[in-house]
Amino acid sequence: GQQVMQIPQYQHVQEGEDFTTYCNSSTTLSNIQWYKQRPGGHPVFLIQLVKSGEVKKQKRLTFQFGEAKKNSSLHITATQTTDVGTYFCAGPNSGGSNYKLTFGKGTLLTVNP
Amino acid sequence: DGGITQSPKYLFRKEGQNVTLSCEQNLNHDAMYWYRQDPGQGLRLIYYSQIVNDFQKGDIAEGYSVSREKKESFPLTVTSAQKNPTAFYLCASSIVSVLLGRVDQPQHFGDGTRLSIL
Repeated sequence: GQQVMQIPQYQHVQEGEDFTTYCNSSTTLSNIQWYKQRPGGHPVFLIQLVKSGEVKKQKRLTFQFGEAKKNSSLHITATQTTDVGTYFCAGPNSGGSNYKLTFGKGTLLTVNP
Repeated sequence: DGGITQSPKYLFRKEGQNVTLSCEQNLNHDAMYWYRQDPGQGLRLIYYSQIVNDFQKGDIAEGYSVSREKKESFPLTVTSAQKNPTAFYLCASSIVSVLLGRVDQPQHFGDGTRLSIL
């Protein structure tokens, strides 16, 4: 079945350093979604990328969708303690019903103030 | 405020007992989902429903059951057949893009239920 892999699993940075998490799918995706889950909280939708090579920015966060639509990345510039949490990517199921998402295992980001 | 309400927040299950987790949404979403989250495992899909009176198994449906009698409600029962039920359970909902027939809408999550074994 479809697999969505994320690396790294954990990342610890000093406040002010940059952070990047990578997402790779075993199949071509029609779109990719990113979510953030704060410690003890629930996942919250951040953004969706649809087009090949698409780049979107949200303040210090930059999201990219690969040309082949099989990989994506999230880059945070100058991390802050408010960025702490687990970042998940998710892609639509490629076979059968298309009404479900496959989530990566996430990257846990911790920030040392 | 529109949203998803999960209850209870914490639940304890005794040996051989079935327990039911509640999920209610007032977002008027057609699709609803149940996920299980274990440390380091990400989100794994248990069951999902695209429309009332219909639901499909996800990747880890064994030991669980659901119903979808109303659009707003999608309760999950953790049966005694689920031997390792301790986890964080998340309910989500989303719009279904009927025209495109695919997942291109974000999922909205509830606050979750933490289930433990007594």
